[in-house]
Amino acid sequence: EVQLVESGGGLVKPGGSLRLSCAASGFTFSTHSMNWVRQAPGKGLEWVSSISSTSKYIFYADSLKGRFTISRDNAKNSLYLQMESLTVEDTAVYYCARVNYYDPYMEVWGKGTSVTVSS
Amino acid sequence: QLVVTQSPSASASLGASVKLTCTLSSGHRNDAIAWHQQQPGRGPRFLMKVDSDGGHSKGVGIPARFSGSSSGADRYLTISSLQSEDDGDYYCQAWDIGIHVFGTGTKVTVL
Repeated sequence: EVQLVESGGGLVKPGGSLRLSCAASGFTFSTHSMNWVRQAPGKGLEWVSSISSTSKYIFYADSLKGRFTISRDNAKNSLYLQMESLTVEDTAVYYCARVNYYDPYMEVWGKGTSVTVSS
Repeated sequence: QLVVTQSPSASASLGASVKLTCTLSSGHRNDAIAWHQQQPGRGPRFLMKVDSDGGHSKGVGIPARFSGSSSGADRYLTISSLQSEDDGDYYCQAWDIGIHVFGTGTKVTVL
């Protein structure tokens, strides 16, 4: 069964850091690009970052202002998101999503991990 | 600039049909999009990709009552024989080099 399981969320103070992980199983992780998407409470989906299968191509939403870093370890079938200088506006559920092999749409989603930034 | 526009809400009776629209911005009217469903309290689920010619590729296990179509810059998701579990938010997703965008979502209410 294809599965994505996020972890690493929690409560963090403004200005703090957090590292999210996404464990992939049931498919050949190393052949797929991956994305992070977030959803603030009561809001819609917001794309955060993308990374290609070999990490050669990495993209971020402009709104992040260079505070987040996406990475992956194909040997461990894992995707990561390092988040720095967190603000209350970063409070959201963070989802990892697998990208289709041929077209860059998101075809498998995890259940998400919740990040709360509050003093 | 790539933007996708969705109506905020739609409703229909149990057993009826509803058609949702996602409109691509100027310069992107020939792009494909993807539809995602989010039931209350749950994460998103991929439904299908819809091409500019109306062809669509569904996700694993998506029922036949979900279908896609296109006209010009509009991409549609039709849900037939509405069931109570179809209640939720539906998002369209578009992409370009180095960017993904989501619509604001359409909230579907099954009456």
